[in-house]
Amino acid sequence: NAGVTQTPKFRILKIGQSMTLQCTQDMNHNYMYWYRQDPGMGLKLIYYSVGAGITDKGEVPNGYNVSRSTTEDFPLRLELAAPSQTSVYFCASSPRTRGGETQYFGPGTRLLVL
Amino acid sequence: GEDVEQSLFLSVREGDSSVINCTYTDSSSTYLYWYKQEPGAGLQLLTYIFSNMDMKQDQRLTVLLNKKDKHLSLRIADTQTGDSAIYFCAENSGYSTLTFGKGTMLLVSP
Repeated sequence: NAGVTQTPKFRILKIGQSMTLQCTQDMNHNYMYWYRQDPGMGLKLIYYSVGAGITDKGEVPNGYNVSRSTTEDFPLRLELAAPSQTSVYFCASSPRTRGGETQYFGPGTRLLVL
Repeated sequence: GEDVEQSLFLSVREGDSSVINCTYTDSSSTYLYWYKQEPGAGLQLLTYIFSNMDMKQDQRLTVLLNKKDKHLSLRIADTQTGDSAIYFCAENSGYSTLTFGKGTMLLVSP
C-alpha cells in the first residue's frame, strides 16, 4: 500500500491564482482530512469528510473548498490564493473505528503564495 | 473551545530520558495521542492512550495520563539522536476530529 499520497510536493502561486491540492489514499478509509501547518504552529483542520459525498468544515475553512466523489480522493481547492495561505498542507485518512482513531498522514504539500 | 498546550522546546543528551508534557482542556476526550514529525515529513502516530487508563508503556515510550489535571506526558527512555523531531500531543475533540498542540521540538545531542 502506498498509504496517503499528495501532489504536488511544492508549489509557488501568485496572488489571485487558483489550484487544487490532490490527496489519494489506498487503504479504503472512510475518513479523510485536510490540515494546514504554519511555521512553529500545530495543525489546524480545514475540512474533513466522513465518506464519499459528505464533507464538513473544520476550524479554518475560509478560502478553501473540497469535494469527495470517491472513497480514495479528497482534493482541496484554493480559488483565489492569498499570502495568508502560505503554509504546509497535510492530508490524512483514518478508518471508521469505534475509537482510538489513528490518522495516517501524507508527506505534505508546501505552498508559497507571492 | 478546546485547546492543547505544550512546551515548545526540549534539549537532552543521548542516553538520557526525555519527558514531554501536554495539557488539554476537553474533559470529554476519550483518546489522547502522541504524534512525531521528522523534518520535511508528515506526522506519524507514536502511541495513544484511552482516557480510562493512567499509564501505557510501549518499549521505550511511557505515556502518563492525569485526568483530574488534564495532563498528559510522554517519556522516552534512553533517548537517541534519531528521536530528534517535533512531538505533537492531540485529543479527539469531536466524533471524528483531532485537536493538536503546537508541538514540542526535541533536540538530542550526542
